[in-house]
Amino acid sequence: AQSVTQLGSHVSVSEGALVLLRCNYSSSVPPYLFWYVQYPNQGLQLLLKYTTGATLVKGINGFEAEFKKSETSFHLTKPSAHMSDAAEYFCAVSEFDNMLTFGGGTRLMVKP
Amino acid sequence: ETGVTQTPRHLVMGMTNKKSLKCEQHLGHNAMYWYKQSAKKPLELMFVYNFKEQTENNSVPSRFSPECPNSSHLFLHLHTLQPEDSALYLCASSQDPPGSGFSYNEQFFGPGTRLTVL
Repeated sequence: AQSVTQLGSHVSVSEGALVLLRCNYSSSVPPYLFWYVQYPNQGLQLLLKYTTGATLVKGINGFEAEFKKSETSFHLTKPSAHMSDAAEYFCAVSEFDNMLTFGGGTRLMVKP
Repeated sequence: ETGVTQTPRHLVMGMTNKKSLKCEQHLGHNAMYWYKQSAKKPLELMFVYNFKEQTENNSVPSRFSPECPNSSHLFLHLHTLQPEDSALYLCASSQDPPGSGFSYNEQFFGPGTRLTVL
């Protein structure tokens, strides 16, 4: 069975600092991995996804994530945080032809 | 309209009212989903529809009644709700549903309906 764990329900960084949001997954077959972002009172917007191929995936708004099979991780990073990055971020995993499973979410706060 | 739209965006109702939430997807997808998102709780999948047929019901109380008249429209009919049903209700769609033999289930979400039950 697939599952997702997001370490840290809240992460606070200063503007301009590195953003690192952690995601570990469990899957019995090669997974498909996603990061979604949710701004207040909005739906979820896809940031980036990994299906096959290159393990470093670039997304929108300067975010990227690296699929590390040996560590069963798919951490999300951004070199320099911006105030507009403050939002909730969800990691999700699916196995082929299976339902999407979401992590519990990480709220990112950006301090001026 | 593009993507996934939901109406209304905000809804306040009493426990004895009957109301409906509407979702429309303009992406040509075949699967649609309802999720509930409460404060301090993870996303809860409520229902899944594949080509208008309900394929999943995650033990949702009968006071929530979904309807999918075609692959573009999805409704959630609400009646005699409880205050604990107050939440953000999200609709999503995907090209192919799980179990179709094609899907890795990338889902596209609407903006949600913020429901408050008094």
